[in-house]
Amino acid sequence: KQEVTQIPAALSVPEGENLVLNCSFTDSAIYNLQWFRQDPGKGLTSLLLIQSSQREQTSGRLNASLDKSSGRSTLYIAASQPGDSATYLCAVRKSSAGGTSYGKLTFGQGTILTVHP
Amino acid sequence: EAGVAQSPRYKIIEKRQSVAFWCNPISGHATLYWYQQILGQGPKLLIQFQNNGVVDDSQLPKDRFSAERLKGVDSTLKIQPAKLEDSAVYLCASRSLDRIDYGYTFGSGTRLTVV
Repeated sequence: KQEVTQIPAALSVPEGENLVLNCSFTDSAIYNLQWFRQDPGKGLTSLLLIQSSQREQTSGRLNASLDKSSGRSTLYIAASQPGDSATYLCAVRKSSAGGTSYGKLTFGQGTILTVHP
Repeated sequence: EAGVAQSPRYKIIEKRQSVAFWCNPISGHATLYWYQQILGQGPKLLIQFQNNGVVDDSQLPKDRFSAERLKGVDSTLKIQPAKLEDSAVYLCASRSLDRIDYGYTFGSGTRLTVV
């Protein structure tokens, strides 16, 4: 059974800092890994999607890396801003092409990020 | 393209009452998911549809939860009777099978409070 863990559970930083959020998963047989952002009371917004064959993806100030063999991913946020305050979730998708779990996402519990001015 | 639409946004009911949530996925997306997110936790899959067929409902509490996806488009998730522990945000997501490299698109969710 796939388990996804995110560290730290909460993080508070001053504006302008570079920061790293960590995600680990127990089963390396993944199809892809996705990082989401969730604002309070809102749904999930996709930030970055990394295929299992890729090592990293970048979008603006965000960079996500994937080390499938060690079961780890990191989300790097450069020059953090108060608007980055939100919960960040990572989710992995199983790689099997058949079976009932195809396409299922398994989520971590999230990292609550607060960036103060 | 329009996003995943969900309604209502909020719902407060008493325990043992029934409630229904509605989801309209992105047009053309064959796969639809319902997730339950309890406060402080990551979302957990309840049920997955491909077109109008159920692919995975292994974590759906079938004694009280039911879901359907008529004509492979809209979907409804129902809880009857509700328990206090059903208080959560219910998220709907969809994905296109044509572009398997695409990720998921989530709706804004329905926040259910059972009192």
